[in-house]
Amino acid sequence: EVVLTQSPGTLSLSPGERATLSCRASQSVSSSFLAWYQQKPGQAPRLLIYGASNRAAGIPDRFSGSGSGTDFTLTISRLEPEDFAVYYCQQYGRSPGTFGQGTKVEIK
Amino acid sequence: QVQLVQSGAELKKPGASVRVSCKASGYTFTSYGINWVRQAPRQGLEWMGWISAYNGDTNYAQHFQDRVTMTTDTSTSTAYMELRSLRSDDTAVYYCARGGAYSSSSFLGYWGQGTLVTVSS
Repeated sequence: EVVLTQSPGTLSLSPGERATLSCRASQSVSSSFLAWYQQKPGQAPRLLIYGASNRAAGIPDRFSGSGSGTDFTLTISRLEPEDFAVYYCQQYGRSPGTFGQGTKVEIK
Repeated sequence: QVQLVQSGAELKKPGASVRVSCKASGYTFTSYGINWVRQAPRQGLEWMGWISAYNGDTNYAQHFQDRVTMTTDTSTSTAYMELRSLRSDDTAVYYCARGGAYSSSSFLGYWGQGTLVTVSS
């Protein structure tokens, strides 16, 4: 199966700063079938990005995704208070679909 | 609006089975599939499998192959996930999430609220 490794494990930043989250795959991800999700405590995950770079409906444009092959990035251009959460990447090109272990973005 | 509403929390003994339901509304149920994802306490997300609401095709993660059955009832737009031979490490929140109709290769655009399954003697 495709193993996704997210880094860093925790990102400590202040509101207004830029966040850069990495997701590296153990094999090339087919057709950029890579998604990003946000999860807040006690809530279900929410889709942010699909197809590596496409924002889901209703997602603010401060969230952007990039990358291809084995290296992908989620960027939050200016952190808002509601953006402090855990972020997961997921590849859905090869079965089984797999998730990264998550990156926690916390308030510095 | 698209909604996935799951059944309530369950407490089960080791060796028992659990069935979680996921009722869909706000879209044409048979035009999509349903994935099941679980999250153990303070852990990450684990994909369990997918069922097409279009034709009933399934794709289960190998880790659950022998213990899980996913079904749908198109008359009520409801998906079900049954997990058998429960162990303490099956304690988790189980989510349903909408995916593709023809393949498990799809992002998960909408999620249920989650169902806590606790396995304890």
